[in-house]
Amino acid sequence: DSGVTQTPKHLITATGQRVTLRCSPRSGDLSVYWYQQSLDQGLQFLIQYYNGEERAKGNILERFSAQQFPDLHSELNLSSLELGDSALYFCASSVSGATGDTQYFGPGTRLTVL
Amino acid sequence: GQNIDQPTEMTATEGAIVQINCTYQTSGFNGLFWYQQHAGEAPTFLSYNVLDGLEEKGRFSSFLSRSKGYSYLLLKELQMKDSASYLCAPRDNYGQNFVFGPGTRLSVLP
Repeated sequence: DSGVTQTPKHLITATGQRVTLRCSPRSGDLSVYWYQQSLDQGLQFLIQYYNGEERAKGNILERFSAQQFPDLHSELNLSSLELGDSALYFCASSVSGATGDTQYFGPGTRLTVL
Repeated sequence: GQNIDQPTEMTATEGAIVQINCTYQTSGFNGLFWYQQHAGEAPTFLSYNVLDGLEEKGRFSSFLSRSKGYSYLLLKELQMKDSASYLCAPRDNYGQNFVFGPGTRLSVLP
């Protein structure tokens, strides 16, 4: 158990819909990262937050957005969902968000878009 | 950007030793991580190398050569539970893109 929690574990929805994925970092970690992993694909970095502020942006689509709240939990919002958005979405956290920080991953949310 | 190359799949026998290689190209190198990921599960941290040489941690060791852009993960006394994907993740100084390699899927056979 990494100490990072994600809800829900599974999500099934239809194309065109909007969903929100939630992540709580490990106690004491200030930085949160979101990743997407499609079937047989590698981990794709989406976005990083540090202490409530966006710090780095990867391959995140405009239909996707995220935020980190004052209590440091984070939410990833996915809208106008397409079949290709079906994937595992992981959240990770680290102490300071530096590139040399070890990231600890949550169990993931499996999103299925029908 | 960062180019990361790992073998796609490897097979080894229980009790054996296996070496998983990773080559990378990155500017402003700031260390390299190895993660283990069982199918459908979260990646878990194995090692972090920032200086050249071998770091040993139980059955797992990781090696880094910065000048060659090369790292390997060495797994000894293989167990069935070591069947997983192993992800190489070099880091740069810019902190704008946290990339992971495509992963090497290791199958440990009895």
